[in-house]
Amino acid sequence: DGGITQSPKYLFRKEGQNVTLSCEQNLNHDAMYWYRQDPGQGLRLIYYSQIVNDFQKGDIAEGYSVSREKKESFPLTVTSAQKNPTAFYLCASRKTSGDYNEQFFGPGTRLTVL
Amino acid sequence: KNEVEQSPQNLTAQEGEFITINCSYSVGISALHWLQQHPGGGIVSLFMLSSGKKKHGRLIATINIQEKHSSLHITASHPRDSAVYICAVRSPRDAGGTSYGKLTFGQGTILTVHP
Repeated sequence: DGGITQSPKYLFRKEGQNVTLSCEQNLNHDAMYWYRQDPGQGLRLIYYSQIVNDFQKGDIAEGYSVSREKKESFPLTVTSAQKNPTAFYLCASRKTSGDYNEQFFGPGTRLTVL
Repeated sequence: KNEVEQSPQNLTAQEGEFITINCSYSVGISALHWLQQHPGGGIVSLFMLSSGKKKHGRLIATINIQEKHSSLHITASHPRDSAVYICAVRSPRDAGGTSYGKLTFGQGTILTVHP
């Protein structure tokens, strides 16, 4: 079945460590997105990528980095520079041809920094 | 003021009741999405609409572009409908003619349906 996988579902890290969250899709979508969700707030865009080897900062990119070496994969690294990394992280993808294409979301990774 | 506002923030209902969740936005959009998030965290897209009304089973979504307002209705609500419902709007094409599909999200409405 086609879809988006994120792993792991729960992740614990010590303060000061970098951590990489995985996102893989087999939907043949060109665009991929990373969002952060905090309690009581709407999802906020961290980074997005329209095409392989290209990505753009979203609204809250500071302290994060991404790569897009393959169409299927868009890993997110939470660096030690991110001041409040504990959050729920959602990856999404979308077909870019045409205007009215939905975004499909992965199951999310809950990151807790101790 | 947030660009996307949902009301109510919390909603409790008895099984069988008709439910309405509202979404107002203040920016130009190319489409509006209604999403459902269950306690496990994964998000499912319910509707994407740019005009009029859509229906899927017991769910109905409407949008009024002139008033910048959308509603999500659930008829004959059931405890399994308990979830967070999120409204998100997609920005129009940018000046370069491309659309990266940016979504701006509301804070979500927490719906609890009791048996």
